[in-house]
Amino acid sequence: HSVLTQPPSVSGAPGQRVTISCSGSTSNIGTGFDVHWYQHLPGTAPKLLIYGNNIRPSGVPDRFSASKSATSASLAIIGLQAEDEADYYCQSYDSSLSDYVFGTGTKVTVL
Amino acid sequence: EVQLVQSGGGLVKPGGSLKLSCAASGFTFSDYTMNWVRQAPGKGPEWVSSIGSGGIYIYYAESVKGRFTISRDNAKNSLYLQMNSLRAEDTAVYYCATRRTGSDNFDYWGQGTLVTVSS
Repeated sequence: HSVLTQPPSVSGAPGQRVTISCSGSTSNIGTGFDVHWYQHLPGTAPKLLIYGNNIRPSGVPDRFSASKSATSASLAIIGLQAEDEADYYCQSYDSSLSDYVFGTGTKVTVL
Repeated sequence: EVQLVQSGGGLVKPGGSLKLSCAASGFTFSDYTMNWVRQAPGKGPEWVSSIGSGGIYIYYAESVKGRFTISRDNAKNSLYLQMNSLRAEDTAVYYCATRRTGSDNFDYWGQGTLVTVSS
């Protein structure tokens, strides 16, 4: 069940900046649980893109950045590239559900 | 290089059973909590189950509790998910994923295996 809400799609031309929002509640992001982001090309293994709200794992380009505030979070892609076309999901933990919860997903299209 | 190679998906009738496997390599398997996460068609991912590094601490999502059993064999670097009493709503791509003990993000994921429950 997708407890975190994301826009279904965002698009941008190569080189542009796009942002993806992730809206949660007081039982997950608002409680202080970290937000993480994943990049997923259908048919492949999802890839951890950002963890701990704003930390990039080794090998993730610095054009990906993220932030968290109150009950929401956002992922920014600065300098969009063709290979960034994929689905992106946010994820946190929900204390009411005692579950790891994911976002509804956002498809990024490079025009 | 971390690799999680999955097997065992397929088509099964409602009420049937299926066992998924996930073979790990490239990291110290016995140090990690292992998880199953699924994604139904057109939906976001859903956490299914977790098993601690020693196989003692086990958790399930309410939607699968009592029907699914997670297990691991640290000697074989393998994770399993036994799925019984399958329902149409269990249809999804199932992923195994690592999680460092104490963290709440999923570091590495398998390629996924499709489970279709249909008559």
